[in-house]
Amino acid sequence: DTAVSQTPKYLVTQMGNDKSIKCEQNLGHDTMYWYKQDSKKFLKIMFSYNNKELIINETVPNRFSPKSPDKAHLNLHINSLELGDSAVYFCASSQGAGGNYGYTFGSGTRLTVV
Amino acid sequence: GDSVTQMEGPVTLSEEAFLTINCTYTATGYPSLFWYVQYPGEGLQLLLKATKADDKGSNKGFEATYRKETTSFHLEKGSVQVSDSAVYFCALSLPNTGNQFYFGTGTSLTVIP
Repeated sequence: DTAVSQTPKYLVTQMGNDKSIKCEQNLGHDTMYWYKQDSKKFLKIMFSYNNKELIINETVPNRFSPKSPDKAHLNLHINSLELGDSAVYFCASSQGAGGNYGYTFGSGTRLTVV
Repeated sequence: GDSVTQMEGPVTLSEEAFLTINCTYTATGYPSLFWYVQYPGEGLQLLLKATKADDKGSNKGFEATYRKETTSFHLEKGSVQVSDSAVYFCALSLPNTGNQFYFGTGTSLTVIP
């Protein structure tokens, strides 16, 4: 049973399209995240939700919109995709204040915009 | 600000060689420290952690000791294997920051037979 699952694993789409990436965790964690990893493996946090409430919203274009229907799900919707959005997007979850227990990551979604 | 600095890669070692990947941090409070590993085509996995000064985290033959005096958390392994080839990320987490992690830039390790 996958703890943090993301779909799809690969996503190839044209510029200007709108796409969504879904994430679900079955760990009972109360906090979920979206990270973007660029081609040099640099990880940048995008959003964090705690019990469905947005708590971190880093400087990302407003074309990116997270949605958390419940604390087990955090989806990422991207409007008007651009070439620079090509990256690997990771969902993660954690439990406990300060992240003392570490994150559990999904296996990533490789987005390619052509 | 709070940050993590880890040694630049890539690192290439022969099998059974000794591994050290340096990591230093800057933090305003008392962070928890982590090492994550990312195997090719996969997500990040927690390798080990330490939550207070002088703690030693260990897993799969890897070790790292939380050194407050040098603000470091260097990753070591006595004898690497080809299967250890991956990207390694040092990270810190501070309490009351919304559970945000600060990741280093990652160090790519390739172990050759």
